Amino acid sequence: KAGVTQTPRYLIKTRGQQVTLSCSPISGHRSVSWYQQTPGQGLQFLFEYFSETQRNKGNFPGRFSGRQFSNSRSEMNVSTLELGDSALYLCASSLARDKPYEQYFGPGTRLTVT
Amino acid sequence: GDSVTQMEGPVTLSEEAFLTINCTYTATGYPSLFWYVQYPGEGLQLLLKATKADDKGSNKGFEATYRKETTSFHLEKGSVQVSDSAVYFCALSDRNDMRFGAGTRLTVKP
Repeated sequence: KAGVTQTPRYLIKTRGQQVTLSCSPISGHRSVSWYQQTPGQGLQFLFEYFSETQRNKGNFPGRFSGRQFSNSRSEMNVSTLELGDSALYLCASSLARDKPYEQYFGPGTRLTVT
Repeated sequence: GDSVTQMEGPVTLSEEAFLTINCTYTATGYPSLFWYVQYPGEGLQLLLKATKADDKGSNKGFEATYRKETTSFHLEKGSVQVSDSAVYFCALSDRNDMRFGAGTRLTVKP
């Protein structure tokens, strides 16, 4: 079974631009979560989608948004990029939101904002 | 809110040494507990889990026991290998989301 895939793996953008990251979950998984990982803040939860609906959201500004499609694939968008948005963005999928909330992570997209 | 606190690293050990990485949690409900491992350049991989008090999770020689009385889930391995060098994350989940600890970097030297 294929794992979680994320594209692109690496991205360099300029301040003020916007970016879209993509995540394809494990087949059959309906829940997709996004995290931002930085050396200073560690792993921070961005949002979770389940059956095309955002079910939970972390404490990030409105510049960060996402969506999920009917095939469970998900995208996240960051508008008006800032230098502090440079991070590894991780996507994780799970079968459902019932316990145990076991998530499977993709390799991440490394975003660098210059 | 729910949170996870794990020992700060980095931790450096010699091959075949005993490993303990401490993890304590704060939760209002009855969370599930996890250890994830992140190798360089990769995403997180689930290492082990425990869903209720006194459960012991184990995988690849690593073990952790869900201790409700001490709100802890310490990770242990009896004999580490160079290939265990990675960052280890303790995490909890209680219905709605997952909370991760800050991560502990382990380096094992031959």
